[in-house]
Amino acid sequence: QVQLQESGPGLVKPSQTLSLTCTVSGGSISSGGYYWSWIRQHPGKGLEWIGYIYYSGSTYYNPSLKSRVTISVDTSKNQFSLKLSSVTAADTAVYYCSGSGGAKNAFDIWGQGTMVTVSS
Amino acid sequence: QSVLTQPPSVSGAPGQRVTISCTGSSSNIGAGYDVHWYQQLPGTAPKLLIYGNSNRPSGVPDRFSGSKSGTSASLAITGLQAEDEADYYCQSYDSSLSARVFGGGTKLTVL
Repeated sequence: QVQLQESGPGLVKPSQTLSLTCTVSGGSISSGGYYWSWIRQHPGKGLEWIGYIYYSGSTYYNPSLKSRVTISVDTSKNQFSLKLSSVTAADTAVYYCSGSGGAKNAFDIWGQGTMVTVSS
Repeated sequence: QSVLTQPPSVSGAPGQRVTISCTGSSSNIGAGYDVHWYQQLPGTAPKLLIYGNSNRPSGVPDRFSGSKSGTSASLAITGLQAEDEADYYCQSYDSSLSARVFGGGTKLTVL
């Protein structure tokens, strides 16, 4: 079955850009039918949807983060990526990549998550 | 503050039945958008438990069930087991926010 794996720096300095990549294995991003999302979880808190991308490159972002978020896809590498600019300590969280679509239209595929700390 | 409201915690003894509520509004659950439920065991990623209000993915025990009515949804767990101790999140779509939204989460403690 499809598996997701996040990768990227675990420490980012304030005001810099957070960059993460999610590698999809066991299936092709280009096969369609699924939307690929980034979701984060602040320490000890709930889940926040950041945005998603379709294999065609179409994106949709959470309006609360839209001004700082860019999600892109590289179908040749079967990866999609997150960039979050001008980070502050409030962006410290576990970042998950996730897939949703098909009949369920729910987040039914999840990566294990990666902790990103924003600190100087 | 989440637009979907869940109780912070619920508890029950093994074998008992517990329910977790998820209260929304006319711009999300009440607008007809589906509600999904996720289980997050300590230190792990969330796992889809219920989709489309009341459907279980393959592999999820039938002890877990979901329902929706009006502006609220509920997750019921019967025959409570120690392994059910986890955080549970509801999720839907909110048309006012134009975003997929989660509830604040409910911590289930098995006594």
